[in-house]
Amino acid sequence: DAGVIQSPRHEVTEMGQEVTLRCKPISGHDYLFWYRQTMMRGLELLIYFNNNVPIDDSGMPEDRFSAKMPNASFSTLKIQPSEPRDSAVYFCASSLAAGYGYTFGSGTRLTVV
Amino acid sequence: AQTVTQSQPEMSVQEAETVTLSCTYDTSENNYYLFWYKQPPSRQMILVIRQEAYKQQNATENRFSVNFQKAAKSFSLKISDSQLGDTAMYFCAFMKHGGATNKLIFGTGTLLAVQP
Repeated sequence: DAGVIQSPRHEVTEMGQEVTLRCKPISGHDYLFWYRQTMMRGLELLIYFNNNVPIDDSGMPEDRFSAKMPNASFSTLKIQPSEPRDSAVYFCASSLAAGYGYTFGSGTRLTVV
Repeated sequence: AQTVTQSQPEMSVQEAETVTLSCTYDTSENNYYLFWYKQPPSRQMILVIRQEAYKQQNATENRFSVNFQKAAKSFSLKISDSQLGDTAMYFCAFMKHGGATNKLIFGTGTLLAVQP
């Protein structure tokens, strides 16, 4: 099992550009999560999906952020337009079922200049 | 709303010694899960241990064990025989039980340094 796969590992972009982060969860996991990690705010849940359906997007900061899960093996998190305050590490994680621990990807470090 | 508090921003321990990291949480739920995650400098988040609140027995994984005090809402992590590879940020996390909810709420973390 390759684990949760995220790409890219690092992304540097200019303010105003569109950024797309990608995630492939572990096969058979019903839940997929997007978290953001910053020094100031720690680990924040942005959105999560159950069986490809968004369940809770209350953590999405604003309309510039959107997430999709078109099928069980792929999800994207898009920021458009990006701003310097979006600079953070973005983690994708998946979980077999409710109550189980998450398996995290290695994260994408996003820098917006 | 549930909250998780880790009151020790940083800790240090000598190699081969034992260290305990503290975590408290606030909830009105009776059934829930608690977790400890480790984040080494590689930034990968790694599950260390999981505890089900309705189980009295404290969870153990090799050198890692917890002291779960439900009434006190305390969930500390004990690392025995500390190794240099244990140097990492440690996060305590809470998850409510039941329904479709599967959200992990994290504490702010404790940075543990294992000294040679």
